[in-house]
Amino acid sequence: DIVLTQSPALAVSLGQRATMSCWASQSVSISRYNLMHWYQQKPGQQPKLLIYRASNLASGIPARFSGSGSGTDFILTINPVQADDIATYYCQQTRESPWTFGGGTKVELK
Amino acid sequence: EVKLVESGGGLVQPGRSLKLSCAASGFNFNDYWMGWVRQAPGKGLEWIGEINKDSSTINYAPSLKDKFTISRDNAQNTLYLQMSKLGSEDTAIYYCARLSPPGLMDVWGQGASVTVSS
Repeated sequence: DIVLTQSPALAVSLGQRATMSCWASQSVSISRYNLMHWYQQKPGQQPKLLIYRASNLASGIPARFSGSGSGTDFILTINPVQADDIATYYCQQTRESPWTFGGGTKVELK
Repeated sequence: EVKLVESGGGLVQPGRSLKLSCAASGFNFNDYWMGWVRQAPGKGLEWIGEINKDSSTINYAPSLKDKFTISRDNAQNTLYLQMSKLGSEDTAIYYCARLSPPGLMDVWGQGASVTVSS
C-alpha cells in the first residue's frame, strides 16, 4: 500500500500563510496526472473535497487554497488563513488501490 | 441540491451484523461510482471500498474485504454497506461518498455512527 505521511499539527496566525505537506512512500503521478487530493474536515463534520489532482480547486472552494507538487511530495497552502479554515486536512492518493489517506494535519491558531 | 444521507447506525453487540444505507438525491445516481469511508473516534480516515455504476465491479480494502459487503440499488438511489462479525475496532463514523472518478470523493454524507459494545 502507498503510505502518506503528514505532520500532525500546524499552528498558524490569522491572515498569515499556512503550508502543510504530504509525502508519499512512492510516486502517485502518472504522466502529467498527479493523483493526490486534499480534503478539509471541521470538527463534527464530514470531510469536504478541497483540491483534486494536486492543484485543481474543487467547486466552491475559495482561491486562498492552493495545491502543488508531483511525484512523492505535495503541498497544500492557505493564504491568507481565516478563522473558518481551522480544521484537519487530509491528503489522499488514487494512484494505486487501495486508496489511502494521510494521518491528517490539524491546523490550529497560535 | 446534491445530497447523501446515511442511516442504520447505532449500538450493536460484538459479533453481530449491521447494514447501513446511503440515500442519494440531487444527481443521477446511476452515473456515479459510490464508496464508503470510516473514521474511528479521534482517528483519521480509512477507505473501505467502492462500487461501480452497475455493480459489476466492487473493490475493497484488503484488510476489510471479509467483513464488509458493498451493494447498491439504482432504482432506489441507495447505496448499502453490510457489516458482519463486528468488533470493537469497527466502532466508527461511516461515511458514504460519491466518486468522480473512482477513488476521488467529491460529495460526502454526514455520516452514520456505529458503536460496537456489549
